[in-house]
Amino acid sequence: AQTVTQSQPEMSVQEAETVTLSCTYDTSESDYYLFWYKQPPSRQMILVIRQEAYKQQNATENRFSVNFQKAAKSFSLKISDSQLGDAAMYFCAYSFYNTDKLIFGTGTRLQVFP
Amino acid sequence: GAVVSQHPSRVICKSGTSVKIECRSLDFQATTMFWYRQFPKQSLMLMATSNEGSKATYEQGVEKDKFLINHASLTLSTLTVTSAHPEDSSFYICSAADRGIGDTQYFGPGTRLTVL
Repeated sequence: AQTVTQSQPEMSVQEAETVTLSCTYDTSESDYYLFWYKQPPSRQMILVIRQEAYKQQNATENRFSVNFQKAAKSFSLKISDSQLGDAAMYFCAYSFYNTDKLIFGTGTRLQVFP
Repeated sequence: GAVVSQHPSRVICKSGTSVKIECRSLDFQATTMFWYRQFPKQSLMLMATSNEGSKATYEQGVEKDKFLINHASLTLSTLTVTSAHPEDSSFYICSAADRGIGDTQYFGPGTRLTVL
């Protein structure tokens, strides 16, 4: 069965600095998607970034980028130039290709200090 | 684009009553919608997968007679919590998959259910 592990329950970063959130997953499949979702205090889940497993190039979205290591089954999120609005719960998620079903990690709470 | 709405945002009901929560995809058609439950400071737990025009698929341990799901159209799925009890109090979130963007799920804002 597929599992997603986030080993950092909490992280903190100074405003304008860079922080990396870790995520590992376990799967025997070769085609799948990986996602990072953000859940701020409003509890609205917001898509941060997605990565297709067949793509070697790491996905980037403005200040957010991933380090996707398929062989190591690792999918970390890097947030550059951190902003106060980045403070939230971050969930890593896995979806097997063409099933849509998401498997979430336990989340990492990110605090941003001014 | 890819907006999902959920109604109501909060509901308080008495024990033994039923509560219906609606989930709508506003600007895309969603053949598949999902219902999650989230306890405080925990991750999302998938309850069921809702497919338009067919019966929902429930995850192990989720009572299908307690949590009735109907996906009547490509833009609307409903979750009815029947004979609600205090232990059903939780945050319920729906999502919809936009196949046009390759299996990406977009989430509604959630519904906080409190059963007295």
